[in-house]
Parts: sequence; structure tokens; C-alpha cells
Amino acid sequence: SQKIEQNSEALNIQEGKTATLTCNYTNYSPAYLQWYRQDPGRGPVFLLLIRENEKEKRKERLKVTFDTTLKQSLFHITASQPADSATYLCALWYNAGNMLTFGGGTRLMVKP
Amino acid sequence: EPEVTQTPSHQVTQMGQEVILRCVPISNHLYFYWYRQILGQKVEFLVSFYNNEISEKSEIFDDQFSVERPDGSNFTLKIRSTKLEDSAMYFCASSPQGQMGEAFFGQGTRLTVV
Repeated sequence: SQKIEQNSEALNIQEGKTATLTCNYTNYSPAYLQWYRQDPGRGPVFLLLIRENEKEKRKERLKVTFDTTLKQSLFHITASQPADSATYLCALWYNAGNMLTFGGGTRLMVKP
Repeated sequence: EPEVTQTPSHQVTQMGQEVILRCVPISNHLYFYWYRQILGQKVEFLVSFYNNEISEKSEIFDDQFSVERPDGSNFTLKIRSTKLEDSAMYFCASSPQGQMGEAFFGQGTRLTVV
């Protein structure tokens, strides 16, 4: 069965540094990979989508890479701020868009 | 900005009772989903709905669960006989184009079964 793995340990970094989060997946070759942000008690909020033929995607301070050979995506936040503190979720569509499946998420804490 | 709205925000129910969680997806979206998140755990897929029928469901979505789109705007999740382990945050989501785009999530209904 498909599996999406994210580092379950919280990532603590200093304000201004770059945060890098990892998402690995198995048993699947997705056409699209997405990243979401989730704050406590709230629903996930879409951040970025990257296609299989794109190596890298950027949006403001966010950057996502997608290595289909390694079956891995990296999510970077540059010049991190305390407001970036949240849980970041990697997600893949399965079954022709009928099922968006999430990894367990990585909690990011940015300290001032 | 269009958003997915869910009601109620919090529901407390007795074990064995039926509950209906309500959602209003974004109006021009075609794909609808329900997810649940037990406290401290991952967001888990329950069911997807497209063209007025279930298109995919997970193992969690057993016979005690059902979904309906009774009119052009509402999308409901019914749990027939709630169990303690159904206590969780339930999120509704909608998407305009399935896998080629993003999913938009509501703020959730916190269900507490006592």
C-alpha cells in the first residue's frame, strides 16, 4: 500500500534561518505532490503544488523540490519567522484524484 | 474569498446516538471529501464524492458512516451509532478539479462522544 512519511519529530530553528522539511513516499508514482500548513485546531491550508516534471517550485519564501527517482520532496522556508510555526503536511492524490492522502506532518517551531 | 463552511463547530453526543455533520463546499467545486483527525494524529481520508456518488472510501468509512448531497449546496456526513473512538475533528474539503489542483478545507467540526 502507499505510504507517505514525514519526520514526526518537531523541527526547532532560529528566526531568520532556513527550515527544510522532508517527505518520502513509497509504492507510488504521483503526478502531483502538494504541501499544506495546519495550525492547531484548524483545517489544512494549501501552500504549493509541484508536478512530476517540475524539479523545483517557488512561492515567496517557500521552495519545494520533487525528486521522483528518490521518491522524495523537500520543503524549504527561507528567512523563517515565528509566524511560520505550524505543522506542515505533505500530500499526494491517489486513484485519479479521488483520494488526497496526507503524511503525518512535521511540526516546525521558529524561535525569535 | 470563497470558503468551505462547516457546522456545528463543536458537537457533543452520547455514545450510540446518530450525528450529522454539515458542510457547504465552495459553489463551483465538483469534488467533495470528508477527513477526520483524532487528537494528536494525522489527517485521515474518509470518503470522496463526485457526480453525486461516492468515488472512493477508506477502511474507516464503514457501514455506520454515510454521506449525502441533499441539495445543490450542502454535503453531509452521518454517523449512525457513535462510538467513543469516533471522537475527533472532522474536516470537509472540496476541490474544483481533483488531482490537478488543491483541496480547500473547512475549519472542522470537533465531535466529542461521551
